[in-house]
Amino acid sequence: KQEVTQIPAALSVPEGENLVLNCSFTDSAIYNLQWFRQDPGKGLTSLLLIQSSQREQTSGRLNASLDKSSGRSTLYIAASQPGDSATYLCAVTPRGGGTSYGKLTFGQGTILTVHP
Amino acid sequence: DTGVSQDPRHKITKRGQNVTFRCDPISEHNRLYWYRQTLGQGPEFLTYFQNEAQLEKSRLLSDRFSAERPKGSFSTLEIQRTEQGDSAMYLCASSRLAGGLSEQYFGPGTRLTVT
Repeated sequence: KQEVTQIPAALSVPEGENLVLNCSFTDSAIYNLQWFRQDPGKGLTSLLLIQSSQREQTSGRLNASLDKSSGRSTLYIAASQPGDSATYLCAVTPRGGGTSYGKLTFGQGTILTVHP
Repeated sequence: DTGVSQDPRHKITKRGQNVTFRCDPISEHNRLYWYRQTLGQGPEFLTYFQNEAQLEKSRLLSDRFSAERPKGSFSTLEIQRTEQGDSAMYLCASSRLAGGLSEQYFGPGTRLTVT
């Protein structure tokens, strides 16, 4: 059974710092990995999607890497801002085929606080 | 493209009552997923539709839960005889089948509180 773990559970940093969020998964047989942002009481916003054949994706100040063989992904946030404060979730799509096609398995999230 | 919408956004109900939630996916997205998220946890998969066919149900989905997607458009999730343990955020997501797996887009969720 695929398990996804995120470290740290919470992180508080001053504005302007570069930071790294970590995600690990137990089964390397995945189709892709997604990073999401969730604001309190809200739904999920997709940040980056990395296909299993890719090693990284970038969007603005965000860079996500994927090392499928070791079961790890990192989300790098450059020059953090107070508006980045949210919960960050990673999720993998298992490569199982059949009726399991497409469902996401999530980590528990990292709560990020960026203070001015 | 107006995004995934869910209704209602909040629902408070007494234990034992039935509730129904609705999800409208992004138009032309043929895949629709339901997830449940409790406080401090990541979302957990409940069930998944491809067009109108319900292809998988999690063991989390007890027989009090039923989901439908008539005509492959919107979907409903009904919980019968609600229990306090059903209190959670119910999230809907949709994606497009296009030569493989594509990004899932999530709605704002329905927060259920069972008193």
